[in-house]
Amino acid sequence: DVKVTQSSRYLVKRTGEKVFLECVQDMDHENMFWYRQDPGLGLRLIYFSYDVKMKEKGDIPEGYSVSREKKERFSLILESASTNQTSMYLCASSSPTGQGDIQYFGAGTRLSVL
Amino acid sequence: AQKVTQAQTEISVVEKEDVTLDCVYETRDTTYYLFWYKQPPSGELVFLIRRNSFDEQNEISGRYSWNFQKSTSSFNFTITASQVVDSAVYFCALSDPYNFNKFYFGSGTKLNVKP
Repeated sequence: DVKVTQSSRYLVKRTGEKVFLECVQDMDHENMFWYRQDPGLGLRLIYFSYDVKMKEKGDIPEGYSVSREKKERFSLILESASTNQTSMYLCASSSPTGQGDIQYFGAGTRLSVL
Repeated sequence: AQKVTQAQTEISVVEKEDVTLDCVYETRDTTYYLFWYKQPPSGELVFLIRRNSFDEQNEISGRYSWNFQKSTSSFNFTITASQVVDSAVYFCALSDPYNFNKFYFGSGTKLNVKP
């Protein structure tokens, strides 16, 4: 069974803190993604990765960075958290087939920055 | 530019009613993929269907059916005889023309099915 696991369901941080959101997949997928979900805006892509140590910016990368040291793990980093980064963060993974690959999602991390 | 519009923010129905969720997309490309995902209260998006732009055949899966019309750039989703378990947020998504891995999501439609 496909499994994408996000380390925390809920997280509360203070403004200025460095925040790490972790995502692990057990499907040996090459592609991994980080999205942000806000009411009325749907899901917006922050960063994605095609392979270990490779990353590409999505539509809203400002204020975020990522790390992919191992194939199964993709981390989202907020270098200095701000209140406008309070949101639901979703991780996904997929296997490249060149035909509109199905993305499999984790349950999300709801981050509150105070 | 790719864009997906789900104009219905929230829909409420009574159990056993049929309900259609609308999805309109914009793209200049001839090859693309469309998706529907369900997000129950647990938070995890669950894949429902993928359709490529060359396949306009409608699809039925149990109580779910999808109507893909390229002429109107729509990919609508109908739930027949809705059930309380169908309550969720539903997202429509469109693939990027240069990178089929990359999706553009609509803003989602929240469906409330009341007993």
